Amino acid sequence: GAGVSQSPSNKVTEKGKDVELRCDPISGHTALYWYRQSLGQGLEFLIYFQGNSAPDKSGLPSDRFSAERTGGSVSTLTIQRTQQEDSAVYLCASSPLGLLNTEAFFGQGTRLTVV
Amino acid sequence: AQSVTQPDIHITVSEGASLELRCNYSYGATPYLFWYVQSPGQGLQLLLKYFSGDTLVQGIKGFEAEFKRSQSSFNLRKPSVHWSDAAEYFCAVENAGNMLTFGGGTRLMVKP
Repeated sequence: GAGVSQSPSNKVTEKGKDVELRCDPISGHTALYWYRQSLGQGLEFLIYFQGNSAPDKSGLPSDRFSAERTGGSVSTLTIQRTQQEDSAVYLCASSPLGLLNTEAFFGQGTRLTVV
Repeated sequence: AQSVTQPDIHITVSEGASLELRCNYSYGATPYLFWYVQSPGQGLQLLLKYFSGDTLVQGIKGFEAEFKRSQSSFNLRKPSVHWSDAAEYFCAVENAGNMLTFGGGTRLMVKP
């Protein structure tokens, strides 16, 4: 596709359930990022994939959060045993070869609501 | 560690008035700086970026930003605001790990 695609656009889940959020980056982009945007907050970095290198997971808030990227393309962010504080918009971005001298292109996000 | 501060959480301006959104950063090396805009229900769109060279950077939609190393600032400006500019604006700095650190954002409202 022409841009970064995220699905679902909205997700309501019960506390304690697991959720999976999907990101399809722009074709050919080797770098993929996940950010979280909580209500009234800025954007919080979660995880960064660059090519075949080990991902930078330094932003994941707890061990309930994990992410993988299959075949260097599609990425899935998984949140286990969701809590109400996990409610946020989860944004995915991709860029060619990382950010240097370029830009990150963002998807429209997945709005997660934990009830 | 790098950080970005946007001191103004909300700003309201009248349509046609000039605009300046403030951004201050803390970063040890030469920063790569970005401004993104997020319209309601939309993802983030890049307005402009600064990597090197001319410290006055032109972007899309009539926006510009000026990098001032002495003040650690990268303020966003527009000479005449349009109602369609109402959105949230984020300043960001790229760190050595090729990741973006964002400020808390400034929500712009435009009065008719």
